Amino acid sequence: GQQVMQIPQYQHVQEGEDFTTYCNSSTTLSNIQWYKQRPGGHPVFLIQLVKSGEVKKQKRLTFQFGEAKKNSSLHITATQTTDVGTYFCAGMNSGGYQKVTFGTGTKLQVIP
Amino acid sequence: ETGVTQTPRHLVMGMTNKKSLKCEQHLGHNAMYWYKQSAKKPLELMFVYSLEERVENNSVPSRFSPECPNSSHLFLHLHTLQPEDSALYLCASSQDGDVGFTDTQYFGPGTRLTVL
Repeated sequence: GQQVMQIPQYQHVQEGEDFTTYCNSSTTLSNIQWYKQRPGGHPVFLIQLVKSGEVKKQKRLTFQFGEAKKNSSLHITATQTTDVGTYFCAGMNSGGYQKVTFGTGTKLQVIP
Repeated sequence: ETGVTQTPRHLVMGMTNKKSLKCEQHLGHNAMYWYKQSAKKPLELMFVYSLEERVENNSVPSRFSPECPNSSHLFLHLHTLQPEDSALYLCASSQDGDVGFTDTQYFGPGTRLTVL
């Protein structure tokens, strides 16, 4: 079945440093979504990417969808302590009946 | 963020108990989901209801029994659970099209379940 892997599993950064998490799917995706889950909280939707090679920005966050629509990345510039949490990607398969598969998540810790 | 609510927020139960988790969405969506989130594991999709009809059940044990009486409410009935069923159970909803799940999922706060 479809698998969605994320790397790294954990990341510690000094406040002000940049951070990137990568999402890789075993199959081509029709779209990909990114979620953030704060410690003790629930996943909150951040963004959805649909087009091949698409790049979207939200303030310090940059999201990219690969040309082959099998991978994606989330880059945070100049991290802040409020960025702490686990970032999940969720890929929707293309073709047939669509379903969403969540990635393994990247847990980000920001050191003040 | 009160679009999707879940009760109770915390639940401790013995292996012989019967309990139910409740989810309610106020977003006018037509699909609802149950997920299980265990430590160090990705989110696991358990059940999906679209237009109150169950469309996917990822081989979940029969000790978990979902119920969707209408498009706004979703229940997860629990009986004779095992300690390994302890996890965060998340409900989500979305507005779906005719050919599957095409829209964003909005999550509830979750129920933290501990099975003794």
